[in-house]
Amino acid sequence: SQQGEEDPQALSIQEGENATMNCSYKTSINNLQWYRQNSGRGLVHLILIRSNEREKHSGRLRVTLDTSKKSSSLLITASRAADTASYFCATPVPISGSARQLTFGSGTQLTVLP
Amino acid sequence: DAGVIQSPRHEVTEMGQEVTLRCKPISGHDYLFWYRQTMMRGLELLIYFNNNVPIDDSGMPEDRFSAKMPNASFSTLKIQPSEPRDSAVYFCASSYGSSNYGYTFGSGTRLTVV
Repeated sequence: SQQGEEDPQALSIQEGENATMNCSYKTSINNLQWYRQNSGRGLVHLILIRSNEREKHSGRLRVTLDTSKKSSSLLITASRAADTASYFCATPVPISGSARQLTFGSGTQLTVLP
Repeated sequence: DAGVIQSPRHEVTEMGQEVTLRCKPISGHDYLFWYRQTMMRGLELLIYFNNNVPIDDSGMPEDRFSAKMPNASFSTLKIQPSEPRDSAVYFCASSYGSSNYGYTFGSGTRLTVV
């Protein structure tokens, strides 16, 4: 089963508006990561937030993390047509010893209309 | 750094043929991951290596799939014999550490088995 699940599955907004995507996960984590995937391309790492952080910013991106609710949100401010992509959250799942592997949600497809 | 390099970008092959996908990770990364992405199943981890050693191949769907990492700068994923249900986009990713830093993905190989 998926560790992280994004919501909504699809989001369509006008250029200049803000876009908010949510991620819920099941087990305890030491960090949570967000990735972007443009059509026909590989995933690109956007931002990592650690479990002791509540909010993190990177340019027009703002990520929040609520470990009590096991949820995170990604906010893209002043969206542009170039932000059109799928956005995935990823959380580490224990595998062996202290090693963990990232598991990815099913993604939110964001469309920014010009 | 040129990033994670995968080849070929596209592969079309007939059912029953052998297919070999190639990956060059980022120099200095000690983890390498092979993922498969389909609309139905999303992003699935097939196998991963740590310092060139396969650690977990539980995601490999069948014995028809095999992966090797003969040195720190090269890995292959082989499917023999290929079947139409293997059609997907296959991604290679590398990272420093198993999950405490972001993964760098290649652009993927789109495999079509007819």
